[in-house]
Amino acid sequence: QQQVRQSPQSLTVWEGETAILNCSYEDSTFNYFPWYQQFPGEGPALLISIRSVSDKKEDGRFTIFFNKREKKLSLHITDSQPGDSATYFCAARSNYNVLYFGSGTKLTVEP
Amino acid sequence: AQTIHQWPVAEIKAVGSPLSLGCTIKGKSSPNLYWYWQATGGTLQQLFYSITVGQVESVVQLNLSASRPKDDQFILSTEKLLLSHSGFYLCAWSRGGTGSAETLYFGSGTRLTVL
Repeated sequence: QQQVRQSPQSLTVWEGETAILNCSYEDSTFNYFPWYQQFPGEGPALLISIRSVSDKKEDGRFTIFFNKREKKLSLHITDSQPGDSATYFCAARSNYNVLYFGSGTKLTVEP
Repeated sequence: AQTIHQWPVAEIKAVGSPLSLGCTIKGKSSPNLYWYWQATGGTLQQLFYSITVGQVESVVQLNLSASRPKDDQFILSTEKLLLSHSGFYLCAWSRGGTGSAETLYFGSGTRLTVL
């Protein structure tokens, strides 16, 4: 059973547009939701994260919107840049040392 | 500054042969350590984690084993490789301590091809 789901699988936007990446989860005990960014051939790196007590987290052009009741969250990337082209993974964990990743969204930003 | 080093960068191995992958973390004492596996174009699946020397917890059974012989070293191994073991193996560390949220810092990975 997949604990974390992401959509779309791939997304193409023009430079300057807002990219919206979606994520949903199953386990209601999950309380921490990081988003990781991965470039080809590299390990992923933490981009931004949110805890379940918050409904929004902003860091520059990146914003997470969190809906605990619906078990959904989304990552908004405003003013998208070609350098943002990467695969984005939503992840989730509860109070144990296991982090579950979604299947990823491959974002392409066209100049 | 903390650094994480994985070795080798890439391996091509035959089915049935043994495997040993390594990971070393410098600049951080008593980190939590993790092994992840990523199929080509796929998601990351946590395999093992360790919060202290000599203790390793398995998350997914993939005919692999892990050991932590030193505080800063994490080893992934198997005596017999399967075709399904091909993929990208990532080591990660986080600040020590159980539970709650901690940032994972990933290494640059080992690309394994099993033929």
